[in-house]
Amino acid sequence: DTEVTQTPKHLVMGMTNKKSLKCEQHMGHRAMYWYKQKAKKPPELMFVYSYEKLSINESVPSRFSPECPNSSLLNLHLHALQPEDSALYLCASSQVDSGGSGELFFGEGSRLTVL
Amino acid sequence: QQQVKQSPQSLIVQKGGISIINCAYENTAFDYFPWYQQFPGKGPALLIAIRPDVSEKKEGRFTISFNKSAKQFSLHIMDSQPGDSATYFCAASMRKLSFGAGTTVTVRA
Repeated sequence: DTEVTQTPKHLVMGMTNKKSLKCEQHMGHRAMYWYKQKAKKPPELMFVYSYEKLSINESVPSRFSPECPNSSLLNLHLHALQPEDSALYLCASSQVDSGGSGELFFGEGSRLTVL
Repeated sequence: QQQVKQSPQSLIVQKGGISIINCAYENTAFDYFPWYQQFPGKGPALLIAIRPDVSEKKEGRFTISFNKSAKQFSLHIMDSQPGDSATYFCAASMRKLSFGAGTTVTVRA
């Protein structure tokens, strides 16, 4: 069983809706990540939080808004999304933000469909 | 612009056979090379990783071969089993992970 828990597993939303994806880890990791994965493609980095501070934003559109309330939680707030934003959104964590040179632990993802 | 090129896109192997996946990179600043395994409906999971000062690393049936001068590395799955059927991503890291395009491996019983 994954130690990174993501909710919800599936989400369908309209282009005018506001919704949030949630991620939780209890491994004491201080770096947390959001990735987007399209079918049959590799994960694409969106955001990195290190010690609860945003350290990397991969030029993600402002309709995606990350939040790290504490060292165990990571949220991704969604607003005014487009159908092309439909994808699997993966949360990951690692002991520290060591430039990606440590093991990333991924959750099972939230499957998002934008109508 | 993909920083890590992975091939083949897919492969089929018989049970007990050897699966080989190849990756190449250009950026010599990369200092960590992991392989991730992803099953349908699941997130990727670290399978095995290597650093550029080592030429080979073996963990069970999985071996990474690393050729620093050629800027290439590969994953060998020995004695492939149906449970190894998954998508495999190579990756390289400097400040962040750059993933290859992925290889779907199907092991036929």
